[in-house]
Amino acid sequence: QSALTQPASVSGSPGQSITISCTGTSSDVGGYDYVSWYLQHPGKAPKLMIYEVSNRPSGVSNRFSGSKSGNTASLTISGLQAEDEADYYCNSHTSGSTVVFGGGTKVTVL
Amino acid sequence: EVQLVESGGGLIQPGGSLRLSCAASGFTVSSYYMSWVRQAPGKGLEWVSIIYSGGSTYYADSVKGRFTMSRDNSKNTVYLQMNNLRAEDTAVYYCARALYSSDAGFWGQGTLVTVSS
Repeated sequence: QSALTQPASVSGSPGQSITISCTGTSSDVGGYDYVSWYLQHPGKAPKLMIYEVSNRPSGVSNRFSGSKSGNTASLTISGLQAEDEADYYCNSHTSGSTVVFGGGTKVTVL
Repeated sequence: EVQLVESGGGLIQPGGSLRLSCAASGFTVSSYYMSWVRQAPGKGLEWVSIIYSGGSTYYADSVKGRFTMSRDNSKNTVYLQMNNLRAEDTAVYYCARALYSSDAGFWGQGTLVTVSS
């Protein structure tokens, strides 16, 4: 049960696009379309941003998009805004019927 | 309206036991897979356990053999029985409906468990 690999931090200027990667194995990210992304502000519960690789829940801005290639999933935030500054986590279903999270990525808006 | 409310956290000595509860409203817990996720102070999210609609349960290696997740359909509540607690179990514990599918996106407010002498 090794954690999925995310960059520790990603930064960008307002209006720019950034991409956060989430690398796993063929037993998790690569094997299933059950990858989701959560945003978390300090002291708050996580908020779902993307489910099943690329689907946006109702109410989530279309500036957020998800994709997957092989064992790596990605979250792209376009038109970066100050309110996007937060920690982002990916997670995936695994072949062992468990769940694995990424280590988290701190997004900073410069 | 979907709501999840955790309770049962607190200060406990190493080696002690605690049972967390997650009371659900607005949906039937037995119809969804439910998870417990924890977050140690200043750290990232860590998946702890899952119970599928069929009743099967799975655990993270870090808690296997010490934690037990269960469900009471009559109370629409899921539980996490935590035994032989260690300092490294100190965290905010969240329950969540689904995690990565279309049913996901609902988390409780979290309950803090502090393991310390």
